[in-house]
Amino acid sequence: SQQGEEDPQALSIQEGENATMNCSYKTSINNLQWYRQNSGRGLVHLILIRSNEREKHSGRLRVTLDTSKKSSSLLITASRAADTASYFCATDLNTDKLIFGTGTRLQVFP
Amino acid sequence: DTEVTQTPKHLVMGMTNKKSLKCEQHMGHRAMYWYKQKAKKPPELMFVYSYEKLSINESVPSRFSPECPNSSLLNLHLHALQPEDSALYLCASSQGGVYGYTFGSGTRLTVV
Repeated sequence: SQQGEEDPQALSIQEGENATMNCSYKTSINNLQWYRQNSGRGLVHLILIRSNEREKHSGRLRVTLDTSKKSSSLLITASRAADTASYFCATDLNTDKLIFGTGTRLQVFP
Repeated sequence: DTEVTQTPKHLVMGMTNKKSLKCEQHMGHRAMYWYKQKAKKPPELMFVYSYEKLSINESVPSRFSPECPNSSLLNLHLHALQPEDSALYLCASSQGGVYGYTFGSGTRLTVV
């Protein structure tokens, strides 16, 4: 079952620019997480934001959560070529079910 | 040790074969998961084990059989698979709560 929709599906930017990805979901959540996946490899946990939090920062990452609109955004500032990957939001329903969104493919050109 | 280790990394099997995927973690996480991911799609949850007991089966066909021999090991037994079962199979573990999941690098399975 799919809980989240992400947009854009694909994003191409130049190094140094900011990248913003959006995630919308359908049901109440315990927390929302963002993951990165380099081509054909495992996922790497980036950041977790709890349902009672509105914004969280980690290095060049900024995540916002609006539970009234059931949406979240991930901002990567000053992007680098190494940030090229697929990014997924994932919603934790507090039932040991982590359900992934459709993903955004980010390409950062040097 | 902060990793989830999956073996093998690649597997090619015939439709009549029986094979197993293995996953191991030594972080003391209470929950372990199997996900299936097709190309350019998000991972889809298959099974969840919590404290070594199967807690979630997402209506997965019986040709996939999970097993959790102990708190550090998770297996996925495969039998009579179909070509459409070809995918990246990901294992993950988590302590739950406000902790994220740790994923292995996956097993790329091809059914011929």
